[in-house]
Amino acid sequence: GAGVSQSPSNKVTEKGKDVELRCDPISGHTALYWYRQSLGQGLEFLIYFQGNSAPDKSGLPSDRFSAERTGGSVSTLTIQRTQQEDSAVYLCASSARTGTATDTQYFGPGTRLTVL
Amino acid sequence: DQQVKQNSPSLSVQEGRISILNCDYTNSMFDYFLWYKKYPAEGPTFLISISSIKDKNEDGRFTVFLNKSAKHLSLHIVPSQPGDSAVYFCAASERGRFGSARQLTFGSGTQLTVLP
Repeated sequence: GAGVSQSPSNKVTEKGKDVELRCDPISGHTALYWYRQSLGQGLEFLIYFQGNSAPDKSGLPSDRFSAERTGGSVSTLTIQRTQQEDSAVYLCASSARTGTATDTQYFGPGTRLTVL
Repeated sequence: DQQVKQNSPSLSVQEGRISILNCDYTNSMFDYFLWYKKYPAEGPTFLISISSIKDKNEDGRFTVFLNKSAKHLSLHIVPSQPGDSAVYFCAASERGRFGSARQLTFGSGTQLTVLP
């Protein structure tokens, strides 16, 4: 079946503009994660959604970052007033369950964001 | 403070030989460890994992070893093949609150190049 998809694949924006990044998880997966990978760094957890529960926002770096998940499926990560340090690859992952160690997270191809 | 460290940014190995990728962690609460593989322009894909109650897990050419006392794990690939050339990320997770995410903490990755 289809994997996790993300759009756009690349986004170039000017400093101060807002951007929206989209994630379509694997159908039926209830858990959805956002990570970002800055140059030369590992993946950094941003936010997590599980069903209708309140999201775990503990990884969001500032209040300029927000995310929502509509209907328990598609998720949008919004970055307001983008800064150059926001430049990174933003990765979305989904999994079938939550809280279980063996619950594999499947990643999308990512959105490469460049803030000029 | 990096909780998961991959100190070798790159590794080159001859085809047919063994590749050994190393990872160190500092958080003693981590109880599950994973290796992901990433090709350019693709998201990370799950490779192999190990629970903290084990010290070895094997899957075909891939074996992960865990040394809890040293807080060290390694991935062995034998024999190495040119198609194994990719970035390998070590990741770890800890038991969260009931129903909460098992967010992954990633290392910065090691670029493996298998030379034909």
